[in-house]
Amino acid sequence: AQSVAQPEDQVNVAEGNPLTVKCTYSVSGNPYLFWYVQYPNRGLQFLLKYITGDNLVKGSYGFEAEFNKSQTSFHLKKPSALVSDSALYFCAVRVPSGGYQKVTFGIGTKLQVIP
Amino acid sequence: GAGVSQSPSNKVTEKGKDVELRCDPISGHTALYWYRQRLGQGLEFLIYFQGNSAPDKSGLPSDRFSAERTGESVSTLTIQRTQQEDSAVYLCASSLRASVWGADRSYEQYFGPGTRLTVT
Repeated sequence: AQSVAQPEDQVNVAEGNPLTVKCTYSVSGNPYLFWYVQYPNRGLQFLLKYITGDNLVKGSYGFEAEFNKSQTSFHLKKPSALVSDSALYFCAVRVPSGGYQKVTFGIGTKLQVIP
Repeated sequence: GAGVSQSPSNKVTEKGKDVELRCDPISGHTALYWYRQRLGQGLEFLIYFQGNSAPDKSGLPSDRFSAERTGESVSTLTIQRTQQEDSAVYLCASSLRASVWGADRSYEQYFGPGTRLTVT
């Protein structure tokens, strides 16, 4: 079974400071990892993904995430937070298995960027 | 291009009534997912369709919930005898199918705007 943990319900960060939203996973096999963002009153949007290759992946809106196999983590980062980054962030994982694509989501972390 | 669409956007129903929610995935996306998001909560997986394979129904919370999909197109989620705890936003998502093992395909999910269900 695959699972995702987002240990923080909420992360508060001052505008301009670096931000980190944590995610750890548990899978059998090599994972595909994703971050999605849900802005207030808007739908879920894809941010970035790790499939293979460089452990540091870059995505939309200046976000990046680092895949760490030894720590089974895929933390989301941004060097300088904006107030507009305030949203709900979801980490997700799937294990490639033929054509099967079930994706498991974390419970979400609310990011609050304080002006 | 057209994204995932869902209808209705809002549904208010009385306890005990049946409701049907619709999802139109992106054309060409063979995988389709239903999730439930209660107020202030995370995403709860309900059911997953992949082409003509048997759906993964492991997330359906009770036998009042069912879903169908016609081929690789429209899906409907039906909730029978609705209860107040069914009130939530129901999200549909679709994605491409990995037809070649190990190929770098676009696995990300594209979400619809959701249907907000309120059971009174």
